Amino acid sequence: GENVEQHPSTLSVQEGDSAVIKCTYSDSASNYFPWYKQELGKGPQLIIDIRSNVGEKKDQRIAVTLNKTAKHFSLHITETQPEDSAVYFCAAETGGFKTIFGAGTRLFVKA
Amino acid sequence: DTGVSQDPRHKITKRGQNVTFRCDPISEHNRLYWYRQTLGQGPEFLTYFQNEAQLEKSRLLSDRFSAERPKGSFSTLEIQRTEQGDSAMYLCASGNQETQYFGPGTRLLVL
Repeated sequence: GENVEQHPSTLSVQEGDSAVIKCTYSDSASNYFPWYKQELGKGPQLIIDIRSNVGEKKDQRIAVTLNKTAKHFSLHITETQPEDSAVYFCAAETGGFKTIFGAGTRLFVKA
Repeated sequence: DTGVSQDPRHKITKRGQNVTFRCDPISEHNRLYWYRQTLGQGPEFLTYFQNEAQLEKSRLLSDRFSAERPKGSFSTLEIQRTEQGDSAMYLCASGNQETQYFGPGTRLLVL
């Protein structure tokens, strides 16, 4: 069945450094790839997304890249801050409604 | 705050009892989703509504689970004869296209 793998499961960086989270997906029909940030006790919050007709998208300190041939997509956070500490989820959507999530990456930003 | 609300935020129940959760989506959104999230995992898709029509149900949704969205507005998720394995966070999301906006979730603990 459809699957999204996410790495690493835990990531610790120093404040100001960059953080990179990588995902791979199995369903070649997937065409929408959102990234969510989830803080303790809250629901996931959309931070950036990319559609299959685009290779890269940037929003301030956050960027996402997509390689449809390899079925890889990545989240890049630059100049990390302590408030970036959270769990980040990648996801792949197929058919307009079915979204498969990765298992999450717990990011720690040390001040 | 995304504008999606869920009630209750927390529910403790005894095994065998029935529970019902409510989701109020963003008013202009026609899509509504339910997910289940267990500790250390990403959200798992349960079911999807387009307006009042339930268009897809996951195999995770056993016959003890039922969801409704009367009049295409709020939605309810009912779990009958709860089991300890039902303990999880139940998340609701709404949207108009691919983008989904999540509520804060209902955390269920079955004793």
